Amino acid sequence: QVQLQESGPGLVKPSGTLSLTCAVSGGSISSSNWWSWVRQPPGKGLEWIGEIYHSGSTNYNPSLKSRVTISVDKSKNQFSLKLSSVTAADTAVYYCARVKGIQLWNNWFDPWGQGTLVTVSS
Amino acid sequence: SSELTQDPAVSVALGQTVRITCQGDSLRSYYASWYQQKPGQAPVLVIYGKNNRPSGIPDRFSGSSSGNTASLTITGAQAEDEADYYCNSRDSSGNRVFGTGTKVTVL
Repeated sequence: QVQLQESGPGLVKPSGTLSLTCAVSGGSISSSNWWSWVRQPPGKGLEWIGEIYHSGSTNYNPSLKSRVTISVDKSKNQFSLKLSSVTAADTAVYYCARVKGIQLWNNWFDPWGQGTLVTVSS
Repeated sequence: SSELTQDPAVSVALGQTVRITCQGDSLRSYYASWYQQKPGQAPVLVIYGKNNRPSGIPDRFSGSSSGNTASLTITGAQAEDEADYYCNSRDSSGNRVFGTGTKVTVL
């Protein structure tokens, strides 16, 4: 059973870069799935950030694209998120999740990591 | 801004049926998936595809779709179903997007 675990600093300074890693256990990151990042500001809804395939192909939310980089490390069975030039608006719980479903018109997120709170503050 | 619109909140009496809707033009082309989120917890998948439930999800949860609207129905709502529910699909450009979320209160 695949499990995901986020890790990284819980506090980032404004204008700095947020860096998180999602470790995949119980399965291979090289399987036929996309791997995604989702965030949730305190008291607000879910926002899709972007995703990566084991080949390195990526898709990003257009609203964040200029600041986001998602990468994969197959040797460590993990993928990572970098978000640059952060502000207080980037304070959120960040989740990683596996994207299932081969067909473009039929995908879903399962499972999810437990999430990690990242606060942007000086 | 989200291209998938949900009612902010709905309430249901214990044991009764509640339908949560998700509206967006892209739903004419893409299936929606549905997630339950309880306070302080990660979202959990409850419905995907035409009407599929992951292992462990009670059969009181069901999904349907018509035109630009996807629906999640809870038949015989239980106290433990009180949570926020989000739909997910793609927008008109093919980017993944979440709905605005619906808070379900079980009375």
